[in-house]
Amino acid sequence: QVQLVQSGSELKKPGASVKVSCRSSGYTFTDYAVTWVRQAPGQAFEWMGWINTNTGKSAYAQAFTGRFVFSLDTSVSTAYLQISSLKPEDTAVYYCTRPRRSCPGDTCYSDFDYWGQGTLLTVSS
Amino acid sequence: DIVMTQSPDSLAVSLGERATINCKSTQSLLYSYDNKNYLGWYQQKPGQPPKLLMYWASTRESGVPDRFSGSGSGTDFTLTISSLQAEDVALYYCQQYYSTPLTFGGGTKVEIK
Repeated sequence: QVQLVQSGSELKKPGASVKVSCRSSGYTFTDYAVTWVRQAPGQAFEWMGWINTNTGKSAYAQAFTGRFVFSLDTSVSTAYLQISSLKPEDTAVYYCTRPRRSCPGDTCYSDFDYWGQGTLLTVSS
Repeated sequence: DIVMTQSPDSLAVSLGERATINCKSTQSLLYSYDNKNYLGWYQQKPGQPPKLLMYWASTRESGVPDRFSGSGSGTDFTLTISSLQAEDVALYYCQQYYSTPLTFGGGTKVEIK
Protein backbone atom coordinates (compact mmCIF):
# COMPACT_ATOMS: atom_id res chain seq x y z
CA GLN A 1 0.00 0.00 0.00
CA VAL A 2 1.06 3.57 -0.61
CA GLN A 3 2.77 5.17 2.36
CA LEU A 4 4.54 8.44 2.98
CA VAL A 5 6.52 8.36 6.21
CA GLN A 6 7.97 11.58 7.55
CA SER A 7 10.74 12.22 10.02
CA GLY A 8 9.93 13.03 13.62
CA SER A 9 9.16 16.22 15.48
CA GLU A 10 11.81 18.91 15.68
CA LEU A 11 12.52 21.62 18.22
CA LYS A 12 14.80 24.31 16.88
CA LYS A 13 16.03 27.72 17.92
CA PRO A 14 15.48 30.80 15.79
CA GLY A 15 18.13 31.13 13.12
CA ALA A 16 18.80 27.40 12.91
CA SER A 17 18.01 25.09 9.99
CA VAL A 18 15.99 21.92 9.72
CA LYS A 19 15.58 19.18 7.13
CA VAL A 20 12.39 17.13 7.09
CA SER A 21 12.31 13.85 5.20
CA CYS A 22 9.42 12.07 3.52
CA ARG A 23 10.02 8.46 2.47
CA SER A 24 7.58 7.00 -0.04
CA SER A 25 6.72 3.36 -0.61
CA GLY A 26 4.11 1.26 -2.34
CA TYR A 27 4.37 2.98 -5.71
CA THR A 28 6.98 4.09 -8.23
CA PHE A 29 8.39 7.24 -6.66
CA THR A 30 9.11 8.97 -9.95
CA ASP A 31 5.55 8.47 -11.24
CA TYR A 32 4.20 11.20 -8.97
CA ALA A 33 5.37 14.56 -7.75
CA VAL A 34 5.69 15.42 -4.08
CA THR A 35 3.92 18.44 -2.67
CA TRP A 36 4.50 20.08 0.69
CA VAL A 37 1.71 21.61 2.76
CA ARG A 38 1.95 23.53 6.02
CA GLN A 39 -0.59 23.80 8.82
CA ALA A 40 0.32 26.44 11.38
CA PRO A 41 -1.50 26.39 14.73
CA GLY A 42 -5.07 27.55 14.25
CA GLN A 43 -4.44 28.32 10.59
CA ALA A 44 -5.66 26.89 7.33
CA PHE A 45 -3.51 24.62 5.24
CA GLU A 46 -0.97 26.39 3.05
CA TRP A 47 0.34 24.87 -0.15
CA MET A 48 4.09 25.41 -0.13
CA GLY A 49 4.90 24.08 -3.58
CA TRP A 50 5.96 20.91 -5.26
CA ILE A 51 8.89 19.02 -6.71
CA ASN A 52 8.88 17.01 -9.92
CA THR A 53 10.43 13.67 -8.95
CA ASN A 54 11.63 13.06 -12.52
CA THR A 55 13.38 16.32 -13.21
CA GLY A 56 14.02 17.52 -9.67
CA LYS A 57 12.53 20.86 -10.62
CA SER A 58 10.67 22.67 -7.88
CA ALA A 59 8.04 25.37 -7.79
CA TYR A 60 7.35 27.36 -4.65
CA ALA A 61 4.39 29.38 -3.48
CA GLN A 62 5.33 33.01 -3.08
CA ALA A 63 5.30 32.83 0.71
CA PHE A 64 7.85 30.01 0.61
CA THR A 65 10.59 31.36 -1.59
CA GLY A 66 14.10 31.95 -0.31
CA ARG A 67 14.39 29.99 2.95
CA PHE A 68 12.58 26.85 1.80
CA VAL A 69 14.16 24.23 -0.45
CA PHE A 70 12.76 20.96 -1.75
CA SER A 71 15.09 18.16 -2.73
CA LEU A 72 15.09 14.47 -3.57
CA ASP A 73 17.03 11.28 -3.17
CA THR A 74 15.34 9.04 -5.72
CA SER A 75 17.60 6.10 -4.79
CA VAL A 76 15.69 5.84 -1.51
CA SER A 77 12.36 7.28 -2.72
CA THR A 78 12.69 10.20 -0.34
CA ALA A 79 11.83 13.86 -0.61
CA TYR A 80 13.19 16.54 1.67
CA LEU A 81 12.11 19.94 2.88
CA GLN A 82 14.88 22.15 4.20
CA ILE A 83 14.11 25.39 6.00
CA SER A 84 16.89 27.78 6.91
CA SER A 85 17.03 30.85 9.16
CA LEU A 86 14.12 29.53 11.16
CA LYS A 87 11.65 31.96 12.70
CA PRO A 88 9.07 31.39 15.42
CA GLU A 89 6.34 31.82 12.81
CA ASP A 90 7.65 28.71 11.04
CA THR A 91 6.18 26.70 13.91
CA ALA A 92 3.71 24.37 12.23
CA VAL A 93 2.99 20.84 11.13
CA TYR A 94 4.56 20.16 7.75
CA TYR A 95 3.05 17.49 5.51
CA CYS A 96 4.35 15.87 2.38
CA THR A 97 1.63 14.73 0.03
CA ARG A 98 1.25 12.80 -3.17
CA PRO A 99 -0.89 14.46 -5.80
CA ARG A 100 -3.75 12.31 -7.02
CA ARG A 101 -2.94 13.31 -10.59
CA SER A 102 0.39 12.72 -12.21
CA CYS A 103 2.17 15.98 -12.89
CA PRO A 104 4.62 15.38 -15.71
CA GLY A 105 5.24 18.97 -16.62
CA ASP A 106 6.08 22.22 -14.92
CA THR A 107 2.80 22.58 -13.11
CA CYS A 108 0.84 20.38 -10.76
CA TYR A 109 -2.85 21.08 -10.42
CA SER A 110 -4.15 18.37 -8.17
CA ASP A 111 -5.68 17.38 -4.93
CA PHE A 112 -3.84 14.93 -2.71
CA ASP A 113 -4.76 11.34 -2.09
CA TYR A 114 -1.87 10.36 0.18
CA TRP A 115 -0.36 12.35 3.00
CA GLY A 116 2.53 11.80 5.33
CA GLN A 117 1.73 11.71 9.02
CA GLY A 118 3.06 15.23 9.46
CA THR A 119 6.17 16.62 11.13
CA LEU A 120 5.72 19.11 13.95
CA LEU A 121 8.35 21.83 13.85
CA THR A 122 8.59 24.08 16.86
CA VAL A 123 10.82 27.12 16.65
CA SER A 124 11.44 28.67 20.02
CA SER A 125 14.29 30.17 21.97
CA ASP B 1 -4.92 34.00 -5.46
CA ILE B 2 -8.22 32.15 -5.24
CA VAL B 3 -9.72 32.52 -1.78
CA MET B 4 -11.80 29.64 -0.47
CA THR B 5 -14.42 30.50 2.13
CA GLN B 6 -16.21 27.78 4.06
CA SER B 7 -19.40 28.06 6.05
CA PRO B 8 -20.35 27.50 8.72
CA ASP B 9 -17.23 27.44 10.87
CA SER B 10 -18.83 24.70 12.91
CA LEU B 11 -22.08 22.80 13.09
CA ALA B 12 -23.66 20.33 15.47
CA VAL B 13 -25.93 17.69 13.99
CA SER B 14 -27.85 14.85 15.60
CA LEU B 15 -26.80 11.32 14.76
CA GLY B 16 -28.58 10.18 11.61
CA GLU B 17 -29.33 13.72 10.49
CA ARG B 18 -27.95 15.61 7.51
CA ALA B 19 -24.88 17.82 7.68
CA THR B 20 -24.20 20.39 4.97
CA ILE B 21 -20.93 22.26 4.50
CA ASN B 22 -20.49 25.06 2.01
CA CYS B 23 -17.43 26.25 0.17
CA LYS B 24 -17.24 29.34 -2.00
CA SER B 25 -14.37 30.38 -4.25
CA THR B 26 -13.51 33.87 -5.46
CA GLN B 27 -13.31 32.66 -9.04
CA SER B 28 -14.78 29.84 -11.02
CA LEU B 29 -13.14 26.44 -10.60
CA LEU B 30 -14.81 25.05 -13.71
CA TYR B 31 -12.22 24.42 -16.39
CA SER B 32 -13.89 24.74 -19.79
CA TYR B 33 -11.37 22.42 -21.48
CA ASP B 34 -12.61 19.35 -19.62
CA ASN B 35 -15.79 20.67 -17.97
CA LYS B 36 -14.52 19.66 -14.53
CA ASN B 37 -14.57 21.57 -11.29
CA TYR B 38 -11.11 21.55 -9.76
CA LEU B 39 -12.21 21.15 -6.16
CA GLY B 40 -11.54 18.56 -3.52
CA TRP B 41 -12.91 17.86 -0.06
CA TYR B 42 -10.99 16.45 2.89
CA GLN B 43 -11.77 15.11 6.32
CA GLN B 44 -9.29 15.57 9.15
CA LYS B 45 -9.54 13.90 12.53
CA PRO B 46 -7.42 14.98 15.52
CA GLY B 47 -3.80 13.97 15.24
CA GLN B 48 -4.22 12.66 11.70
CA PRO B 49 -3.45 14.05 8.27
CA PRO B 50 -6.33 14.97 6.02
CA LYS B 51 -8.11 12.25 4.10
CA LEU B 52 -9.36 12.94 0.58
CA LEU B 53 -13.12 12.41 0.38
CA MET B 54 -14.14 13.92 -2.95
CA TYR B 55 -12.42 15.15 -6.08
CA TRP B 56 -13.69 16.94 -9.17
CA ALA B 57 -16.18 18.37 -6.64
CA SER B 58 -18.47 15.37 -6.77
CA THR B 59 -16.46 12.18 -7.35
CA ARG B 60 -16.16 10.06 -4.24
CA GLU B 61 -12.69 8.74 -3.48
CA SER B 62 -12.43 4.96 -3.30
CA GLY B 63 -13.57 3.60 0.06
CA VAL B 64 -15.48 6.71 1.10
CA PRO B 65 -18.97 5.85 2.37
CA ASP B 66 -21.80 6.85 0.06
CA ARG B 67 -23.39 9.00 2.78
CA PHE B 68 -20.81 11.59 1.68
CA SER B 69 -21.66 13.50 -1.47
CA GLY B 70 -20.36 16.60 -3.19
CA SER B 71 -22.19 19.03 -5.40
CA GLY B 72 -21.91 22.44 -6.97
CA SER B 73 -20.15 24.07 -9.86
CA GLY B 74 -18.30 27.24 -10.68
CA THR B 75 -17.85 29.08 -7.41
CA ASP B 76 -20.28 27.41 -5.02
CA PHE B 77 -19.87 23.92 -3.67
CA THR B 78 -21.41 21.73 -0.99
CA LEU B 79 -20.33 18.65 0.92
CA THR B 80 -23.25 16.72 2.37
CA ILE B 81 -23.22 13.96 4.93
CA SER B 82 -26.65 12.43 4.48
CA SER B 83 -26.85 10.59 7.81
CA LEU B 84 -24.25 11.66 10.33
CA GLN B 85 -22.39 8.89 12.10
CA ALA B 86 -20.26 9.21 15.22
CA GLU B 87 -17.12 8.55 13.21
CA ASP B 88 -17.84 11.57 11.00
CA VAL B 89 -16.94 13.99 13.79
CA ALA B 90 -14.01 15.84 12.25
CA LEU B 91 -12.84 18.96 10.50
CA TYR B 92 -13.70 19.26 6.83
CA TYR B 93 -11.78 21.32 4.29
CA CYS B 94 -12.23 22.22 0.65
CA GLN B 95 -9.28 22.81 -1.66
CA GLN B 96 -9.06 24.27 -5.15
CA TYR B 97 -6.58 23.00 -7.67
CA TYR B 98 -7.63 25.21 -10.55
CA SER B 99 -4.65 27.51 -10.24
CA THR B 100 -1.55 28.06 -8.19
CA PRO B 101 -1.14 28.77 -5.42
CA LEU B 102 -3.42 25.89 -4.55
CA THR B 103 -5.58 27.07 -1.67
CA PHE B 104 -7.70 25.58 1.08
CA GLY B 105 -10.78 26.71 2.92
CA GLY B 106 -10.56 27.53 6.58
CA GLY B 107 -12.33 24.38 7.69
CA THR B 108 -15.69 23.39 9.16
CA LYS B 109 -15.92 21.50 12.42
CA VAL B 110 -18.67 18.89 12.55
CA GLU B 111 -19.87 17.73 15.96
CA ILE B 112 -22.67 15.64 17.36
CA LYS B 113 -25.62 17.52 18.85
